[in-house]
Amino acid sequence: LAKTTQPISMDSYEGQEVNITCSHNNIATNDYITWYQQFPSQGPRFIIQGYKTKVTNEVASLFIPADRKSSTLSLPRVSLSDTAVYYCLVAFTSGTYKYIFGTGTRLKVLA
Amino acid sequence: NAGVTQTPKFQVLKTGQSMTLQCAQDMNHEYMSWYRQDPGMGLRLIHYSVGAGITDQGEVPNGYNVSRSTTEDFPLRLLSAAPSQTSVYFCASRTRDGPYEQYFGPGTRLTVT
Repeated sequence: LAKTTQPISMDSYEGQEVNITCSHNNIATNDYITWYQQFPSQGPRFIIQGYKTKVTNEVASLFIPADRKSSTLSLPRVSLSDTAVYYCLVAFTSGTYKYIFGTGTRLKVLA
Repeated sequence: NAGVTQTPKFQVLKTGQSMTLQCAQDMNHEYMSWYRQDPGMGLRLIHYSVGAGITDQGEVPNGYNVSRSTTEDFPLRLLSAAPSQTSVYFCASRTRDGPYEQYFGPGTRLTVT
């Protein structure tokens, strides 16, 4: 199972762009990279998912280099409400349904 | 759609008691799973199911049982509660085919004294 490594915490100021990098050296050919956001006392919420190159949606961008051993979640112009824990994980797409959550990155957005 | 629902929201048990945490989803998702989250930690997979009648173990299955008799429901049973099972429990579901987004319930906060 591919495990992920992320920074434990990050601080940013409102209005800045935040980039959180995740390494997943053992990612398999069929795995997708997925990011979740979790607020205190709530379940994780899906942010974005990708397989390679770049994916963008209304809240974030995901950059995946050609070797797929790392990925970067980019949050444009963060606000105080983006303070949360962000988890990177690889998603098994064939056969079994297993995800490995790491300890995540605790993002604190300052005014 | 209610999405993924969990009951109860809070529960206090004494050591040795048993109980069942309920999880239901109304999205017709084939895949369902249970996680536990301890303070300051990420989520750890307890058990999962890829369809009615099919279950498998995750990272930390000891002390827990599951069954999946319907697509909608995936209850988690604590056989004999221990203080080490004090945690927040999350249920999640997903379609079998893409997209691979998991939908999480609101969680059950369990304390074992």
